[in-house]
Amino acid sequence: AQSVSQHNHHVILSEAASLELGCNYSYGGTVNLFWYVQYPGQHLQLLLKYFSGDPLVKGIKGFEAEFIKSKFSFNLRKPSVQWSDTAEYFCAVNGIRLQAQLWSRITSIKAAGNKLTFGGGTRVLVKP
Amino acid sequence: DTAVSQTPKYLVTQMGNDKSIKCEQNLGHDTMYWYKQDSKKFLKIMFSYNNKELIINETVPNRFSPKSPDKAHLNLHINSLELGDSAVYFCASSQVVAGGPYNEQFFGPGTRLTVL
Repeated sequence: AQSVSQHNHHVILSEAASLELGCNYSYGGTVNLFWYVQYPGQHLQLLLKYFSGDPLVKGIKGFEAEFIKSKFSFNLRKPSVQWSDTAEYFCAVNGIRLQAQLWSRITSIKAAGNKLTFGGGTRVLVKP
Repeated sequence: DTAVSQTPKYLVTQMGNDKSIKCEQNLGHDTMYWYKQDSKKFLKIMFSYNNKELIINETVPNRFSPKSPDKAHLNLHINSLELGDSAVYFCASSQVVAGGPYNEQFFGPGTRLTVL
């Protein structure tokens, strides 16, 4: 089973401060990693994602995240936050697994492997 | 041109009632999902359908029954609503790529269900 933990539940900082949100996952195999943001009263939007390649991923709105496989981490960073970055941030993991007995059901493997497991979220409040 | 839409946006109802939430995506994706976000903002998957076939069914009470009439729609019907069902329900969709990385999931605006 896969699990995700986000260390900080609440973060309060001032505009122009740097932000780093921790995310650790528990899964022994290949993973796809995501950071989603939920602005107040809105739906989840993708900030960035990691599938493979360069472990430093750049996303929208100046966010970036670094995948450190040895630490099972995917921390989110932004050098200088703005008031508009006030939101809830969710780390999510999709563990890719192959089940030998299901090889004949490729569709099921693909879709079942697309289950996102979310962390508990970090509420970020940026003071103007 | 909303990608993933849900109706209604707000739903207030009494305990014991039966209600449905509808979801539609116009992205041409083959997989759709229902997530539940509780009052502490914790998000958990409930169901996933791929090409109208139920693929993921997490530990969800039988009172919850998803229905997918076609690839673009995934509705959620809830029988005998309970206080604990109060939450925000998010629909999502994605395209599962054969042999490749799993694409991001696109989320709908959510349906805030309040059971009184």
